[in-house]
Amino acid sequence: DAKTTQPPSMDCAEGRAANLPCNHSTISGNEYVYWYRQIHSQGPQYIIHGLKNNETNEMASLIITEDRKSSTLILPHATLRDTAVYYCAWDSNYQLIWGAGTKLIIKP
Amino acid sequence: KAGVTQTPRYLIKTRGQQVTLSCSPISGHRSVSWYQQTPGQGLQFLFEYFSETQRNKGNFPGRFSGRQFSNSRSEMNVSTLELGDSALYLCASSPGTGYSNEQFFGPGTRLTVL
Repeated sequence: DAKTTQPPSMDCAEGRAANLPCNHSTISGNEYVYWYRQIHSQGPQYIIHGLKNNETNEMASLIITEDRKSSTLILPHATLRDTAVYYCAWDSNYQLIWGAGTKLIIKP
Repeated sequence: KAGVTQTPRYLIKTRGQQVTLSCSPISGHRSVSWYQQTPGQGLQFLFEYFSETQRNKGNFPGRFSGRQFSNSRSEMNVSTLELGDSALYLCASSPGTGYSNEQFFGPGTRLTVL
């Protein structure tokens, strides 16, 4: 059964790096990993995605383990505006399979 | 480019009624996906359409249906509404081709069933 697991909540101090883990142990070799965030029940906002190699964009970095069973989203310098629910998802047969999300609270 | 738009944003219905939700994708995107989000079940996939064809369907009863038009706009319909259908319904669009499936979401339609 396809499964994606994330810790329910995490705290991070403002200005520090926030590292959000995700386990996607049933992912197969050609399925991408995606990260989104959601603020106040708005539509999820795309952050980053990757397949095998580590990825970086203006918002975040994505580290995927060599066996692809888990990944970590890194927000390098967290700000108060990064407080949100962060979702990990992976792509299988035109659908995204979502984790339950991690509520990230950035503390001043 | 304009983002994904969904109408209406809020809807209140009573049990037994039916409802139609609309989604306009980003210009040039040919794939539209629908998701249901509830506090208890999280984000759950309903269905995905590409060029008017349903390519995948989630584990929802037949009361949930959808379609896509030739201009890529999509609608979903829920018939015989139940209290448990109260949820945020999200539409997402993507190019629909290529190896990755980067989806962009609309603001959602908040459906309340009384």
